[in-house]
Amino acid sequence: KQEVTQIPAALSVPEGENLVLNCSFTDSAIYNLQWFRQDPGKGLTSLLLIQSSQREQTSGRLNASLDKSSGRSTLYIAASQPGDSATYLCAVMAGTSYGKLTFGQGTILTVHP
Amino acid sequence: DADVTQTPRNRITKTGKRIMLECSQTKGHDRMYWYRQDPGLGLRLIYYSFDVKDINKGEISDGYSVSRQAQAKFSLSLESAIPNQTALYFCATSDLGHLTTDTQYFGPGTRLTVL
Repeated sequence: KQEVTQIPAALSVPEGENLVLNCSFTDSAIYNLQWFRQDPGKGLTSLLLIQSSQREQTSGRLNASLDKSSGRSTLYIAASQPGDSATYLCAVMAGTSYGKLTFGQGTILTVHP
Repeated sequence: DADVTQTPRNRITKTGKRIMLECSQTKGHDRMYWYRQDPGLGLRLIYYSFDVKDINKGEISDGYSVSRQAQAKFSLSLESAIPNQTALYFCATSDLGHLTTDTQYFGPGTRLTVL
């Protein structure tokens, strides 16, 4: 059974800092790994999707990496802003569960001015 | 207008009551999903449907049932609600795309409280 773990559970940083969120998964036979953002009262928004054959994806100040062999992914946020405050969720689509995502428990990020 | 909508957005009910949560989408996607989110546990899959005639149990389906009334509509029912079903419920959709690029689109969620 695929398990996804995110560290840390919560993170508070001052504005302008670069930060890293971590995600690990137990089954390396995945189709893709995705990072989502969740804001209070709103649904999840997809930030980045890394295909199983890729090593990283970038979108603006966000960069996500994938190391399938070690079962790890990181989400790097450069020059953090208060508007980045949200819960960040990692999810994997495993080869044995086509079309279904397994989520980590999330990292609650607070960026204070 | 939002692509994936959920009604109601908030609901408080009592133990033993029957509750239905509804999800509608305008994205034209075939696949639809119901998740629940509990503090510290992430999202867990309750049921999913890959087309109108297809219904599948997720990892935590006990105490829930679903109905796929049309391509655009997927309802979740709690036949006899209990307090540990208090959670945030999300509906999601995805397209029949390539396996490695498949992502999901989420509704805003329904906060359900069972007293």
